[in-house]
Amino acid sequence: SYELTQPLSVSVALGQSASITCGGNNIGIKIVHWYQQKPGQAPVLVIYRDSKRPSGIPERFSGSNSGNTATLTINRAQAGDEADYYCQVWDSSNVVFGGGTKLTVL
Amino acid sequence: EVQLVESGGGLVQPGGSLRLSCAGSGFSFRNYNMNWVRQAPGKGLEWVSYISSSSTTMYYADSVKGRFTISRDNAKNSLSLQMNSLRAEDTAVYYCARAFTFGAELDYWGQGTLVTVSS
Repeated sequence: SYELTQPLSVSVALGQSASITCGGNNIGIKIVHWYQQKPGQAPVLVIYRDSKRPSGIPERFSGSNSGNTATLTINRAQAGDEADYYCQVWDSSNVVFGGGTKLTVL
Repeated sequence: EVQLVESGGGLVQPGGSLRLSCAGSGFSFRNYNMNWVRQAPGKGLEWVSYISSSSTTMYYADSVKGRFTISRDNAKNSLSLQMNSLRAEDTAVYYCARAFTFGAELDYWGQGTLVTVSS
């Protein structure tokens, strides 16, 4: 079965940029989606189809996907960006999530 | 406004059954594929099941195959998950989430319903 690997945690200084990676075998040929989840809340879609932003998501959020790594980048990080982030792909007849990355804004 | 509202969670003994429901509103429910995703306490997201818009295709995670059944009633804008032979490891918050096509993003999620399997 297909696996997605994310770092357990990423820290970023307030106002700086953070990158969260999502590794998978040849993930570059798959379509990657990213979700943000704050404590006690449902996940929210922040990036879809590798790099597209849903309406209402700040331009500070961007995504890329190539080779064996997809990346979510958050520019000018704010305290409100502190959350868990999950990457997701479809593989055959399954939805696959990465293990999640806790983003801490210092 | 798109809304997905889950219900039916609760405490159940190991080996027992439970039926979850998800009510959709604010969008054309019959045009969307639907999913169940769960999250055990303190853990990550785990996909559970998928059903196509017309109920012609259903998929299940290996962890629930043969025990859970997904279904929908487009006339009632409703999605269901029948869970049988429940185990302690099924304890989780269960979310329903929609996707316009197979392979598309899960663009709206409900707030979830908690299922606790314990004696």
